Amino acid sequence: QKEVEQNSGPLSVPEGAIASLNCTYSDRGSQSFFWYRQYSGKSPELIMFIYSNGDKEDGRFTAQLNKASQYVSLLIRDSQPSDSATYLCATGGGSYIPTFGRGTSLIVHP
Amino acid sequence: SAVISQKPSRDICQRGTSLTIQCQVDSQVTMMFWYRQQPGQSLTLIATANQGSEATYESGFVIDKFPISRPNLTFSTLTVSNMSPEDSSIYLCSVDGREETQYFGPGTRLLVL
Repeated sequence: QKEVEQNSGPLSVPEGAIASLNCTYSDRGSQSFFWYRQYSGKSPELIMFIYSNGDKEDGRFTAQLNKASQYVSLLIRDSQPSDSATYLCATGGGSYIPTFGRGTSLIVHP
Repeated sequence: SAVISQKPSRDICQRGTSLTIQCQVDSQVTMMFWYRQQPGQSLTLIATANQGSEATYESGFVIDKFPISRPNLTFSTLTVSNMSPEDSSIYLCSVDGREETQYFGPGTRLLVL
């Protein structure tokens, strides 16, 4: 059974701080890793994907992957109230069907 | 990325009835997926719909309860049959993008009374 674990939160950070969201996965065969953002009442939208160990940066977002530890994280720098949402971690293993975690709720307060 | 629309966006239904949800994509895609998301929960895959073949259902979901059609490469429907309050959920269709990314439609919010 493939599992993706996330702390449900909420994670509360002040505006301007770095938000750190974490995810672990059980399937060592996972090859691709994704972060989706889901605003309340909306559908998930892809914000980051990473395939190789290390860091991948895109604007204020940095995804970090450590396959040996089966760990993926998402850092959001200079957090804004508009970043308040649920962040879903997902993994893929070549089957075209990712496995989603339950998501971490992030609250950025002014 | 694909642009996906769903109809209806929301509905309130009586138990025992059925609802058909439509999903339209603005480009031809091989695989379409149907998910359910219950309040506070993550996404649960119901089935994968490929054009020209029977849908592939995940464990816990059966064709009699969730019949799916995929008549062409841009359209699919999911029917929720003989509904009960436990079927109240958000139903999402999605399509596969590059390298296992997924693009989601806006969702259908279903309340069964």
